[in-house]
Amino acid sequence: DVVMTQTPVSLSVSLGGQVSISCRSSQSLVHNNGNTYLSWYLQKPGQSPQLLIYKVSNRFSGISDRFSGSGSGTDFTLKISRVEPDDLGVYYCGQGTQYPLTFGSGTKLEIK
Amino acid sequence: QVQLQQSGAELVKPGSSVKISCKASGYTFTSYDMHWIKQQPGNGLEWIGWIYPGNGNTKYNQKFNGKATLTADKSSSTAYMQLSSLTSEDSAVYFCARGSTMGITHWFAYWGQGTLVTVSS
Repeated sequence: DVVMTQTPVSLSVSLGGQVSISCRSSQSLVHNNGNTYLSWYLQKPGQSPQLLIYKVSNRFSGISDRFSGSGSGTDFTLKISRVEPDDLGVYYCGQGTQYPLTFGSGTKLEIK
Repeated sequence: QVQLQQSGAELVKPGSSVKISCKASGYTFTSYDMHWIKQQPGNGLEWIGWIYPGNGNTKYNQKFNGKATLTADKSSSTAYMQLSSLTSEDSAVYFCARGSTMGITHWFAYWGQGTLVTVSS
């Protein structure tokens, strides 16, 4: 199975600040069709996860441009700029390249 | 708009089975895989498998072979997951989820609200 490792486990940021979350995979996420299926999700307290980013850097419909994804191969980053109170929760990366689909263990974002 | 409405919380006894549902609306049910994902309290997300309602094809995470059985009812646009031989390790929130494009799902754009299953005597 592809192991997804997220760092840090948690972080605290001031409103208006910027944060980066790292996600590393144990194998390359480049699919044999040339696409890289790395996605990012935010799970707000008491809610279901919501899709933020798919295929490394594509924002899902309605997602603010404060969220950006980058990376390639096995190394990926989610950046959140101008952090707002509604951004708090747990962020997960997920890979959709290889079965079984797997997720990182999450990064908890707290607002200072 | 796409909506996935899951059945309510379940309290079940060890060794028994439970069947939870996910009613889809706002799209053509038979055209998209429906996936199921497990989240234990305080833990991350674990992919269980998918069913393609159009033809009933399924694919499972090997870890859940024999534990989870996925079915779908086209007439009611509802997907089901049955969990058998329940133990405390099966206590979790279970989500149904769907991708955003037809064809193979590589990410999850739409999620149900989750169903809490508690296994306790």
